[in-house]
Amino acid sequence: DQQVKQNSPSLSVQEGRISILNCDYTNSMFDYFLWYKKYPAEGPTFLISISSIKDKNEDGRFTVFLNKSAKHLSLHIVPSQPGDSAVYFCAAYSTGNQFYFGTGTSLTVIP
Amino acid sequence: DSGVTQTPKHLITATGQRVTLRCSPRSGDLSVYWYQQSLDQGLQFLIQYYNGEERAKGNILERFSAQQFPDLHSELNLSSLELGDSALYFCASSVQETQYFGPGTRLLVL
Repeated sequence: DQQVKQNSPSLSVQEGRISILNCDYTNSMFDYFLWYKKYPAEGPTFLISISSIKDKNEDGRFTVFLNKSAKHLSLHIVPSQPGDSAVYFCAAYSTGNQFYFGTGTSLTVIP
Repeated sequence: DSGVTQTPKHLITATGQRVTLRCSPRSGDLSVYWYQQSLDQGLQFLIQYYNGEERAKGNILERFSAQQFPDLHSELNLSSLELGDSALYFCASSVQETQYFGPGTRLLVL
């Protein structure tokens, strides 16, 4: 039961442009959403999160948008940099329950 | 550096064998989570411990077991290993809603 889905396995973007990574979920009880970034041979690292009571959270070049009616969240990276090339996982969580992760989107930023 | 440590980094073993993976959470974190990442797969949640007690169970096989010790480190035991158990195994510890991941243990079953 894939409660969190990332339908794009890969994305290529030119340096300096915007990267938009998407994530859909099915469980309306999720109350917290997170994005993680993963480089090869390393564990995922926390990037940014958003509570279900908000629709936007911004941290530097990274912004997460949450559309609860569509059960959709997205991560915007602007401007994209070559160092952003990594696999990005979205995750969702409801208090007292487990985290659910998507299958990841591999982002390549082309110099 | 997330502050979560995992040993060993790599493990090669044969089918039918048993292995133990170890995780030390960040100082002060009471929760430990175990995940499996197979090739081209997302992170599959296995099990969560909170302060020594099992808190949540995911897609963990009966051949797998885990425990969290009084010093809060955790071990994941994998037995009767099969080729399909080859994967990256991550542990994470958390404070509130954010998990911090270790570097993982890469298990190869031959």
